[in-house]
Amino acid sequence: GAGVSQTPSNKVTEKGKYVELRCDPISGHTALYWYRQSLGQGPEFLIYFQGTGAADDSGLPNDRFFAVRPEGSVSTLKIQRTERGDSAVYLCASSLGAQETQYFGPGTRLLVL
Amino acid sequence: ILNVEQSPQSLHVQEGDSTNFTCSFPSSNFYALHWYRWETAKSPEALFVMTLNGDEKKKGRISATLNTKEGYSYLYIKGSQPEDSATYLCALLTTSGTYKYIFGTGTRLKVLA
Repeated sequence: GAGVSQTPSNKVTEKGKYVELRCDPISGHTALYWYRQSLGQGPEFLIYFQGTGAADDSGLPNDRFFAVRPEGSVSTLKIQRTERGDSAVYLCASSLGAQETQYFGPGTRLLVL
Repeated sequence: ILNVEQSPQSLHVQEGDSTNFTCSFPSSNFYALHWYRWETAKSPEALFVMTLNGDEKKKGRISATLNTKEGYSYLYIKGSQPEDSATYLCALLTTSGTYKYIFGTGTRLKVLA
Protein backbone atom coordinates (compact mmCIF):
# COMPACT_ATOMS: atom_id res chain seq x y z
CA GLY A 1 0.00 0.00 0.00
CA ALA A 2 0.96 3.66 -0.16
CA GLY A 3 3.44 4.85 2.40
CA VAL A 4 3.86 8.24 4.00
CA SER A 5 4.42 10.96 1.44
CA GLN A 6 5.84 14.44 1.92
CA THR A 7 5.86 17.46 -0.34
CA PRO A 8 7.88 19.21 -1.51
CA SER A 9 10.96 16.98 -1.58
CA ASN A 10 13.18 20.02 -1.53
CA LYS A 11 12.49 23.63 -0.69
CA VAL A 12 14.86 26.56 -1.06
CA THR A 13 13.71 29.84 0.42
CA GLU A 14 15.09 33.15 1.53
CA LYS A 15 15.52 34.26 5.10
CA GLY A 16 12.34 35.84 6.41
CA LYS A 17 9.96 33.98 4.09
CA TYR A 18 7.07 31.72 5.07
CA VAL A 19 7.04 28.02 4.16
CA GLU A 20 4.58 25.17 4.41
CA LEU A 21 5.56 21.51 4.44
CA ARG A 22 2.94 18.85 3.79
CA CYS A 23 2.62 15.30 5.07
CA ASP A 24 0.20 12.62 3.85
CA PRO A 25 0.19 9.77 6.38
CA ILE A 26 -0.71 6.15 5.78
CA SER A 27 -4.48 5.81 5.56
CA GLY A 28 -6.00 4.85 8.89
CA HIS A 29 -3.03 5.94 10.99
CA THR A 30 -4.31 8.14 13.80
CA ALA A 31 -0.91 9.15 15.17
CA LEU A 32 1.26 11.59 13.21
CA TYR A 33 4.67 12.97 14.13
CA TRP A 34 7.02 15.64 12.83
CA TYR A 35 10.78 15.42 13.40
CA ARG A 36 13.65 17.61 12.27
CA GLN A 37 17.14 16.44 11.41
CA SER A 38 19.84 19.09 11.38
CA LEU A 39 23.25 18.42 9.87
CA GLY A 40 25.25 15.95 11.95
CA GLN A 41 22.38 15.25 14.34
CA GLY A 42 19.78 12.56 14.72
CA PRO A 43 16.13 13.43 14.06
CA GLU A 44 14.57 15.47 16.88
CA PHE A 45 10.92 15.40 17.87
CA LEU A 46 8.83 18.46 17.03
CA ILE A 47 5.14 17.65 17.46
CA TYR A 48 2.71 14.73 17.81
CA PHE A 49 -0.92 14.59 16.67
CA GLN A 50 -3.48 12.08 17.84
CA GLY A 51 -6.32 12.55 15.41
CA THR A 52 -6.89 16.24 14.80
CA GLY A 53 -5.36 17.55 18.00
CA ALA A 54 -1.75 18.29 18.84
CA ALA A 55 -1.21 16.02 21.85
CA ASP A 56 2.38 17.16 22.38
CA ASP A 57 4.03 20.20 20.77
CA SER A 58 6.88 20.42 23.26
CA GLY A 59 9.51 19.98 20.55
CA LEU A 60 8.58 23.04 18.51
CA PRO A 61 11.61 25.34 18.88
CA ASN A 62 9.69 28.64 19.05
CA ASP A 63 6.46 30.34 18.06
CA ARG A 64 7.54 30.68 14.42
CA PHE A 65 6.69 26.99 14.05
CA PHE A 66 3.12 25.77 13.89
CA ALA A 67 1.45 22.60 12.63
CA VAL A 68 -2.11 21.59 11.88
CA ARG A 69 -4.02 18.44 11.04
CA PRO A 70 -7.58 19.72 10.55
CA GLU A 71 -9.25 16.51 9.38
CA GLY A 72 -7.10 13.99 11.16
CA SER A 73 -5.24 12.96 8.02
CA VAL A 74 -2.97 15.37 6.12
CA SER A 75 -0.77 17.60 8.25
CA THR A 76 0.98 20.85 7.40
CA LEU A 77 4.01 22.20 9.21
CA LYS A 78 4.23 25.97 8.90
CA ILE A 79 7.33 28.06 9.50
CA GLN A 80 7.10 31.84 9.63
CA ARG A 81 9.98 34.27 9.15
CA THR A 82 12.42 31.51 8.29
CA GLU A 83 15.98 31.72 9.56
CA ARG A 84 19.12 30.07 8.23
CA GLY A 85 19.14 27.83 11.30
CA ASP A 86 15.84 26.31 10.17
CA SER A 87 17.68 24.56 7.34
CA ALA A 88 17.22 20.84 7.95
CA VAL A 89 15.44 17.70 6.80
CA TYR A 90 11.87 17.67 8.11
CA LEU A 91 10.55 14.15 8.56
CA CYS A 92 6.96 13.10 9.03
CA ALA A 93 5.91 9.73 10.45
CA SER A 94 2.60 8.03 11.15
CA SER A 95 1.53 5.03 13.18
CA LEU A 96 -1.60 3.09 14.04
CA GLY A 97 -1.31 4.14 17.64
CA ALA A 98 1.00 5.91 20.03
CA GLN A 99 3.00 2.81 20.96
CA GLU A 100 3.24 1.36 17.48
CA THR A 101 6.13 1.43 15.02
CA GLN A 102 6.32 4.75 13.20
CA TYR A 103 6.51 4.77 9.40
CA PHE A 104 8.42 7.65 7.89
CA GLY A 105 8.12 9.70 4.75
CA PRO A 106 11.21 10.58 2.68
CA GLY A 107 11.45 14.02 4.25
CA THR A 108 11.50 17.59 2.98
CA ARG A 109 14.95 19.13 2.67
CA LEU A 110 14.60 22.81 3.56
CA LEU A 111 17.38 25.26 2.76
CA VAL A 112 17.09 28.83 3.98
CA LEU A 113 19.46 31.19 2.22
CA ILE B 1 16.22 13.32 29.16
CA LEU B 2 17.60 10.14 27.64
CA ASN B 3 20.76 10.59 25.60
CA VAL B 4 21.17 7.99 22.87
CA GLU B 5 24.66 7.52 21.48
CA GLN B 6 25.67 5.56 18.42
CA SER B 7 29.14 4.44 17.43
CA PRO B 8 30.97 4.60 15.22
CA GLN B 9 29.66 7.73 13.46
CA SER B 10 30.72 6.29 10.12
CA LEU B 11 32.59 3.37 8.71
CA HIS B 12 33.68 1.89 5.42
CA VAL B 13 33.84 -1.86 4.94
CA GLN B 14 34.66 -4.10 1.99
CA GLU B 15 31.94 -6.13 0.31
CA GLY B 16 31.68 -9.48 2.09
CA ASP B 17 32.94 -8.19 5.44
CA SER B 18 30.78 -8.51 8.52
CA THR B 19 30.32 -5.49 10.70
CA ASN B 20 28.51 -4.27 13.77
CA PHE B 21 27.67 -1.03 15.45
CA THR B 22 26.43 0.07 18.83
CA CYS B 23 23.56 2.04 20.29
CA SER B 24 24.05 2.95 23.94
CA PHE B 25 21.72 4.58 26.43
CA PRO B 26 22.05 5.46 30.13
CA SER B 27 18.68 4.21 31.34
CA SER B 28 16.24 1.42 30.57
CA ASN B 29 13.32 3.78 31.07
CA PHE B 30 11.84 3.39 27.61
CA TYR B 31 9.04 1.40 26.02
CA ALA B 32 10.95 -0.08 23.06
CA LEU B 33 14.13 0.28 21.04
CA HIS B 34 13.82 0.57 17.26
CA TRP B 35 16.43 0.27 14.53
CA TYR B 36 15.90 2.04 11.21
CA ARG B 37 17.86 2.01 7.95
CA TRP B 38 17.87 5.29 6.03
CA GLU B 39 19.13 5.40 2.48
CA THR B 40 19.77 8.75 0.86
CA ALA B 41 16.64 10.34 -0.63
CA LYS B 42 14.42 7.54 0.69
CA SER B 43 12.24 7.04 3.76
CA PRO B 44 13.78 5.58 6.91
CA GLU B 45 12.85 1.89 6.91
CA ALA B 46 11.94 0.09 10.12
CA LEU B 47 14.25 -2.88 10.74
CA PHE B 48 13.63 -4.13 14.27
CA VAL B 49 11.63 -3.43 17.40
CA MET B 50 12.97 -4.76 20.69
CA THR B 51 11.48 -4.43 24.14
CA LEU B 52 12.92 -7.05 26.49
CA ASN B 53 16.39 -7.52 27.89
CA GLY B 54 18.04 -10.29 25.89
CA ASP B 55 15.85 -9.78 22.81
CA GLU B 56 17.43 -10.93 19.57
CA LYS B 57 15.93 -10.21 16.17
CA LYS B 58 17.06 -11.32 12.72
CA LYS B 59 16.11 -10.36 9.18
CA GLY B 60 18.20 -12.00 6.50
CA ARG B 61 21.83 -11.00 7.01
CA ILE B 62 20.99 -8.37 9.62
CA SER B 63 20.42 -9.07 13.30
CA ALA B 64 20.18 -7.08 16.51
CA THR B 65 20.43 -7.67 20.22
CA LEU B 66 19.29 -5.71 23.25
CA ASN B 67 20.90 -5.53 26.69
CA THR B 68 18.91 -3.18 28.90
CA LYS B 69 20.90 -3.98 32.02
CA GLU B 70 24.15 -2.71 30.55
CA GLY B 71 22.50 -0.13 28.33
CA TYR B 72 23.28 -1.09 24.75
CA SER B 73 21.99 -2.63 21.55
CA TYR B 74 24.13 -4.09 18.78
CA LEU B 75 23.28 -4.26 15.10
CA TYR B 76 25.17 -6.87 13.08
CA ILE B 77 25.45 -7.18 9.32
CA LYS B 78 26.88 -10.43 8.00
CA GLY B 79 28.56 -10.44 4.59
CA SER B 80 27.99 -6.74 3.81
CA GLN B 81 26.74 -5.84 0.35
CA PRO B 82 26.86 -2.45 -1.43
CA GLU B 83 23.08 -2.17 -1.05
CA ASP B 84 23.56 -2.18 2.74
CA SER B 85 25.12 1.28 2.43
CA ALA B 86 22.90 3.60 4.46
CA THR B 87 22.61 5.41 7.77
CA TYR B 88 21.46 3.15 10.58
CA LEU B 89 19.44 4.93 13.24
CA CYS B 90 18.66 3.75 16.74
CA ALA B 91 15.58 5.23 18.39
CA LEU B 92 14.15 4.82 21.87
CA LEU B 93 10.39 5.03 22.17
CA THR B 94 10.07 6.92 25.43
CA THR B 95 7.32 6.55 27.98
CA SER B 96 7.59 9.90 29.76
CA GLY B 97 4.30 11.55 28.86
CA THR B 98 3.81 11.20 25.12
CA TYR B 99 5.23 8.23 23.27
CA LYS B 100 7.90 9.67 20.98
CA TYR B 101 11.29 8.69 19.61
CA ILE B 102 14.62 9.87 20.89
CA PHE B 103 17.12 9.18 18.14
CA GLY B 104 20.84 8.62 18.14
CA THR B 105 22.96 10.47 15.59
CA GLY B 106 23.21 7.38 13.41
CA THR B 107 26.00 5.26 11.96
CA ARG B 108 26.78 5.92 8.28
CA LEU B 109 27.85 2.70 6.59
CA LYS B 110 29.53 2.57 3.20
CA VAL B 111 30.13 -0.85 1.68
CA LEU B 112 32.80 -0.80 -1.00
CA ALA B 113 32.44 -3.17 -3.94
